[in-house]
Amino acid sequence: GAGVSQTPSNKVTEKGKYVELRCDPISGHTALYWYRQSLGQGPEFLIYFQGTGAADDSGLPNDRFFAVRPEGSVSTLKIQRTERGDSAVYLCASSLRPTLSTDTQYFGPGTRLTVL
Amino acid sequence: KQEVTQIPAALSVPEGENLVLNCSFTDSAIYNLQWFRQDPGKGLTSLLLIQSSQREQTSGRLNASLDKSSGRSTLYIAASQPGDSATYLCAVPGQGGSEKLVFGKGTKLTVNP
Repeated sequence: GAGVSQTPSNKVTEKGKYVELRCDPISGHTALYWYRQSLGQGPEFLIYFQGTGAADDSGLPNDRFFAVRPEGSVSTLKIQRTERGDSAVYLCASSLRPTLSTDTQYFGPGTRLTVL
Repeated sequence: KQEVTQIPAALSVPEGENLVLNCSFTDSAIYNLQWFRQDPGKGLTSLLLIQSSQREQTSGRLNASLDKSSGRSTLYIAASQPGDSATYLCAVPGQGGSEKLVFGKGTKLTVNP
């Protein structure tokens, strides 16, 4: 079946602009996660949705970052007034039953964001 | 705060060698540990998941072990192949059993033909 998809695959923007990154999780997966990966680093958690609600947004770096999942499926990560330090690969993952110890997160290919 | 460390940061071996990648974590109250593979410019692929009640998991030439009490895991790759070249990432749940994953920086493996 189809995996996690993310669009666009690459996004180049200018400092100060607004961007939206989209994630389509695996069908039926109730949990959705956003991570950010800088060069040479492991992914860092941003936000976790269970259904439509943000169950944990403790990783969002500041109030310029916001994410929504209005119908419990597709999610959009929104970044206002982008800064050069926001440049990174933004990864989305989904999972079926996050409360189970056997649950695995399935990752999308990521969106590479470059802020000039 | 859960922290994950992976050693070495990079490893280069000739084809056919057996090798071990190391992962350590600071909070031993985890319910599982996962090893992922990441190819350049790609997302992450889950390789092995070990539940806290298990000591090891095997998949083909890969074997992962977990010692919760000491906060360590190893990934053993037997008879390495050039196609194994990638970055290997270890991940555990956040502090207090959070659903989010905390990752190490990874080990970049190069297997030379």
